[in-house]
Amino acid sequence: DAKTTQPPSMDCAEGRAANLPCNHSTISGNEYVYWYRQIHSQGPQYIIHGLKNNETNEMASLIITEDRKSSTLILPHATLRDTAVYYCIVTGANSKLTFGKGITLSVRP
Amino acid sequence: DAGVIQSPRHEVTEMGQEVTLRCKPISGHDYLFWYRQTMMRGLELLIYFNNNVPIDDSGMPEDRFSAKMPNASFSTLKIQPSEPRDSAVYFCASSPRENYEQYFGPGTRLTVT
Repeated sequence: DAKTTQPPSMDCAEGRAANLPCNHSTISGNEYVYWYRQIHSQGPQYIIHGLKNNETNEMASLIITEDRKSSTLILPHATLRDTAVYYCIVTGANSKLTFGKGITLSVRP
Repeated sequence: DAGVIQSPRHEVTEMGQEVTLRCKPISGHDYLFWYRQTMMRGLELLIYFNNNVPIDDSGMPEDRFSAKMPNASFSTLKIQPSEPRDSAVYFCASSPRENYEQYFGPGTRLTVT
């Protein structure tokens, strides 16, 4: 599976959009981009995934560049409860998730 | 649905003892995963099952670790004998089909003294 690169941390103000970047320059054509998050002391939680089209659900939007080498997870109106570690994962058809260090998002009041 | 259920939530044991962690996946999910999380190594996949059959156990650290899935609603991860370096949070996750979102349980925090 392709490797991903995320900055170690970022913060944003409550109520503002949080844009979390991820680089996956070695992604291959059949690999999906998944985002999970882990709130302190809880199990990881699925957020969204996509192949090449942008995706949106009730939690977030996923924007994938045309060359698929990077993506951005957008939380449109961040709340304090969105403070967590966010993992960007690229995986193929084998269902295996390889978690990296993720990006720690801190939402400030 | 109650989600993925893990027991116990906390386990403290002495080095050399056998430890058994339990997981009940979400009903109807064909895939079950065991992960381990430590500060040093992050979140690692240990083993996963499809329809009760182990598919990939390449993440199992050594022969002291074993996992079974006797039926679609129950899985165990056993460590025998346990060592202090096994101290970690162990997560179980399930998924309804291949390459789909995984639903994680609350984890079991294991401390080996």
